[in-house]
Amino acid sequence: SQKIEQNSEALNIQEGKTATLTCNYTNYSPAYLQWYRQDPGRGPVFLLLIRENEKEKRKERLKVTFDTTLKQSLFHITASQPADSATYLCALSSGGSYIPTFGRGTSLIVHP
Amino acid sequence: DTAVSQTPKYLVTQMGNDKSIKCEQNLGHDTMYWYKQDSKKFLKIMFSYNNKELIINETVPNRFSPKSPDKAHLNLHINSLELGDSAVYFCASSPQRGSYSEQYFGPGTRLTVT
Repeated sequence: SQKIEQNSEALNIQEGKTATLTCNYTNYSPAYLQWYRQDPGRGPVFLLLIRENEKEKRKERLKVTFDTTLKQSLFHITASQPADSATYLCALSSGGSYIPTFGRGTSLIVHP
Repeated sequence: DTAVSQTPKYLVTQMGNDKSIKCEQNLGHDTMYWYKQDSKKFLKIMFSYNNKELIINETVPNRFSPKSPDKAHLNLHINSLELGDSAVYFCASSPQRGSYSEQYFGPGTRLTVT
């Protein structure tokens, strides 16, 4: 069966460090992958989208990589700040369906 | 201006009741969705609605029915509410039906069935 795996344990890091979150998937041939941020009591907010033929995408302090051989995406936040503390969700869509399937998310806690 | 709005924010009701959640988007998007986020934080698609075409997730009970009066609105009606329906329901929209559209989510409606 298709699975999207994100680390269920919270990631705790110190302010200023780079946070790296992982999204692994099985039995998918995703056409593209998205990352969202979700704060408590709020809806997810779109951050970045990367296509299957792209290796890397950047936006300000954010960087996403997409390795279709490893079936993995890494999400990096450089120079992290306490305001980056949130849950980060990855979402995959295969070519046959435009509706993304979401992972469970990983909580990031940035300590001052 | 709020891009995707939902009402109510909180909804507490008893088993067996019928309730509705309203959603409106002012982004001019073609496609709207309803998601359910359970206590384990999984965000699962329930419905997708695009230009009068409704795509239903087969795991959704037929007690749930989306209704779209126009392109900017997609409401969710729930009949005979059950305890297991307690969750946060998110409405979302995307610019186009296709492979490369990000989604814009509403603030969510926390439904509690007692």
